[in-house]
Amino acid sequence: AQSVTQLGSHVSVSEGALVLLRCNYSSSVPPYLFWYVQYPNQGLQLLLKYTSAATLVKGINGFEAEFKKSETSFHLTKPSAHMSDAAEYFCAVTPSGGYNKLIFGAGTRLAVHP
Amino acid sequence: DARVTQTPRDKVTEMGQEVTMRCQPILGHNTVFWYRQTMMQGLELLAYFRNRAPLDDSGMPKDRFSAEMPDATLATLKIQPSEPRDSAVYFCASGWDGQAVVGYTFGSGTRLTVV
Repeated sequence: AQSVTQLGSHVSVSEGALVLLRCNYSSSVPPYLFWYVQYPNQGLQLLLKYTSAATLVKGINGFEAEFKKSETSFHLTKPSAHMSDAAEYFCAVTPSGGYNKLIFGAGTRLAVHP
Repeated sequence: DARVTQTPRDKVTEMGQEVTMRCQPILGHNTVFWYRQTMMQGLELLAYFRNRAPLDDSGMPKDRFSAEMPDATLATLKIQPSEPRDSAVYFCASGWDGQAVVGYTFGSGTRLTVV
């Protein structure tokens, strides 16, 4: 069975500081991994995805994530936080075969302070 | 940009009433998901369909919930009778099966409040 664990339900950073949101996955088969962002009262928007090609994945809004098989991790980073990055971020996993259902982590709420 | 459309956006209903939520997937997508989001449980997968056929509804309370796709342009999630514990935001997402690499597009959700 697949699962993801997001370390830290709340992360707070200053504007301009590095953003690091942690995600570890568990999968019995090679996974596809995703990061989604949810702004208040909105649906989820895809930030980036890992699909077994390049291990460093670049997404929208300056975010990137690195797939590390040895650490079973897929942490999300952004070099410089912006106030508009304040939102909830979800890591998700799906098996590379099978019916492709997405399993989400519990989410990390990112706060950005001036 | 193509969108997944969910209606209604907000619904307040009394306990015991029937609730129907609707989702219009993106044209051409053949996979539809229903998720429920609450503070306590996070995002839970309720059901999903491929080519209108239900593939997995193990996350859905069968005694009161039902999900259908009457046609390729409409997915419905029904609760009968509704209970206060059903209060949550319900999201629909659609995608093209076999291309999980693309990711799925989510609707804006239906916020359900059962009083």
